[in-house]
Amino acid sequence: KNEVEQSPQNLTAQEGEFITINCSYSVGISALHWLQQHPGGGIVSLFMLSSGKKKHGRLIATINIQEKHSSLHITASHPRDSAVYICAVRSGTASKLTFGTGTRLQVTL
Amino acid sequence: SAVISQKPSRDICQRGTSLTIQCQVDSQVTMMFWYRQQPGQSLTLIATANQGSEATYESGFVIDKFPISRPNLTFSTLTVSNMSPEDSSIYLCIGSTGEKLFFGSGTQLSVL
Repeated sequence: KNEVEQSPQNLTAQEGEFITINCSYSVGISALHWLQQHPGGGIVSLFMLSSGKKKHGRLIATINIQEKHSSLHITASHPRDSAVYICAVRSGTASKLTFGTGTRLQVTL
Repeated sequence: SAVISQKPSRDICQRGTSLTIQCQVDSQVTMMFWYRQQPGQSLTLIATANQGSEATYESGFVIDKFPISRPNLTFSTLTVSNMSPEDSSIYLCIGSTGEKLFFGSGTQLSVL
């Protein structure tokens, strides 16, 4: 079992839909990151969370430390949101990152 | 925010040869990590590059196969030695200042 599990693996949505991507982890963490990778592009960091909730534009990320679970929400989705979304957790004294396998999102018109 | 320039972006190499991948950061980062992403799998940590000392390798990765250098806080290299087709992968460097992460653009390696 991977230390970081994401669901769903693939997601197709219509423009305007509300989207939720989930991340569960099995280890104690110091922080959780949500990342975005566009096709053919590099990876950018969307959020870093250690508790609670953060919002940036149409993106919202939440984390529940007790349940070892985080969600990334996209409101009013748009085709330009199509990308792979990756959850990564930081743990240990070396603060190394453990990555989920990613959620491939496609938003259609 | 820091920008990481990773080179080469892609390469096709012959079995038995070695390839060195470079990451240059435009500002200092505390930690530098080297990851590998094999087809269909998540990013897997190879090692943590420590300034001025040997890298710390994860289980399953050894220095002879993946020698790493980090002479200062803005530069690091990873060498993939004596390559075989199983080494075909994307290699990625990630810099960290603690809270923030900065990503290289990745190196897509194909070994024939």
